Amino acid sequence: DTGVSQDPRHKITKRGQNVTFRCDPISEHNRLYWYRQTLGQGPEFLTYFQNEAQLEKSRLLSDRFSAERPKGSFSTLEIQRTEQGDSAMYLCASSPRTSGGHISSYNEQFFGPGTRLTVL
Amino acid sequence: GQQVMQIPQYQHVQEGEDFTTYCNSSTTLSNIQWYKQRPGGHPVFLIQLVKSGEVKKQKRLTFQFGEAKKNSSLHITATQTTDVGTYFCPTSGGYNKLIFGAGTRLAVHP
Repeated sequence: DTGVSQDPRHKITKRGQNVTFRCDPISEHNRLYWYRQTLGQGPEFLTYFQNEAQLEKSRLLSDRFSAERPKGSFSTLEIQRTEQGDSAMYLCASSPRTSGGHISSYNEQFFGPGTRLTVL
Repeated sequence: GQQVMQIPQYQHVQEGEDFTTYCNSSTTLSNIQWYKQRPGGHPVFLIQLVKSGEVKKQKRLTFQFGEAKKNSSLHITATQTTDVGTYFCPTSGGYNKLIFGAGTRLAVHP
C-alpha cells in the first residue's frame, strides 16, 4: 500500500507521560499536515510542513506539542506531559506540490489511518 | 480561511431514499472540497469544486457549487448502506490547510 501510514494506530498512556507518533506520507508529497479529531467533530489543523520546514502551527498546539520532519520525508509529533484533554485521534495528511499554479486550485489531501490516543 | 456551516448535522434515511447536505459560507470561497469519513475511518477525498455554478457527478453523487461561490451541496440518489458516514465540506486556509466543520452524519437503514 503506497498511502499515508501512521504508527502506532493506538496508544494508551498515563497522564504525565510523553508520547510520540510517526507519520509516513506518500513518497512524492512535499506537503504534510497534522490534524486532531475528537468524537463528533471534524479534524482540527495542528501544524504544516513543506518539505522539512514547519511553516505553520495552530494556536491549539501548546508548548507541550512538538513536531518535526527532519529530512522532509516522515514526520513525528510528540506530546510531553500528556493530559486527559489530549485524548483524540491524531491524523496525518499529505499533499503533492500544487500543480498548474492556478490561484484558486489546491490539491486533495490524503489522510492516514490516524493514531488514537487515550490518556488515563 | 473560514469555516462553513453545514446542515443537517445528522440525518437518517431508509435505504433507497435520497439525501442532501448543504454547506453555507458568509464569504466567497475560492474553492471547496468534499470528504467522506466512514465510522472508525479517516477522511477520504471525494471532489473539489472551483468554478461558479459548477456541477460534478460521481455515480449516484452530485456535487454543486453555488453561483456566488458561497454555498455547496452534495446530493446522493438512492442511498445504499455503503453511503453511511460523515460528509465534510472543508474550506482552505493558508498553506492549503483544511478547515473542517462538524460535518453531516448519514445513517442508512436497510
